[in-house]
Amino acid sequence: DAGVTQSPTHLIKTRGQQVTLRCSPKSGHDTVSWYQQALGQGPQFIFQYYEEEERQRGNFPDRFSGHQFPNYSSELNVNALLLGDSALYLCASSLWGGVNEKLFFGSGTQLSVL
Amino acid sequence: DAKTTQPNSMESNEEEPVHLPCNHSTISGTDYIHWYRQLPSQGPEYVIHGLTSNVNNRMASLAIAEDRKSSTLILHRATLRDAAVYYCIHTSGTYKYIFGTGTRLKVLA
Repeated sequence: DAGVTQSPTHLIKTRGQQVTLRCSPKSGHDTVSWYQQALGQGPQFIFQYYEEEERQRGNFPDRFSGHQFPNYSSELNVNALLLGDSALYLCASSLWGGVNEKLFFGSGTQLSVL
Repeated sequence: DAKTTQPNSMESNEEEPVHLPCNHSTISGTDYIHWYRQLPSQGPEYVIHGLTSNVNNRMASLAIAEDRKSSTLILHRATLRDAAVYYCIHTSGTYKYIFGTGTRLKVLA
């Protein structure tokens, strides 16, 4: 049973460019959340998708957008990249609605903006 | 937003118990307390969670204060593989988990 998979593992972009990160949730999960983790910090919640809709959003600008597909996989898009967007981007999957549900995280995509 | 307070770092000797504290003074009556840990170069992984009662699983134990304003994660016998950053979170199940900076646990051989 594959866990959460993310691609690519590493990415280098320049300021102003756009980037798309991908996530496949753990088998049986229907909810995907995205987190940004700067060096030395804890993960920061970006947004969450369920039934192909954004359900919750953290304190991130509109440059950060996402999508969820019918097979529950998800993409995170970041436009007009800034140097400060350099971070580890983590995807987490779970089942919707359960207060006891665990989050399963992927190993992340390391984004470097030059 | 829910916020927790943890020591920045702790050390333990291998094979000894470790008690990792967490304060969550803003917790509400329906919030669950979750602990995750992040090993180097990996995403966080679930450790344990609870609501009011102490909880045990194969990885650890969770002791929750009677007023629920604090909790302690207990690793009964620390191993080198337990070296990680440990995060304590409280949430009402919306998955908008608010991670702090966590406690970096160093295990000494």
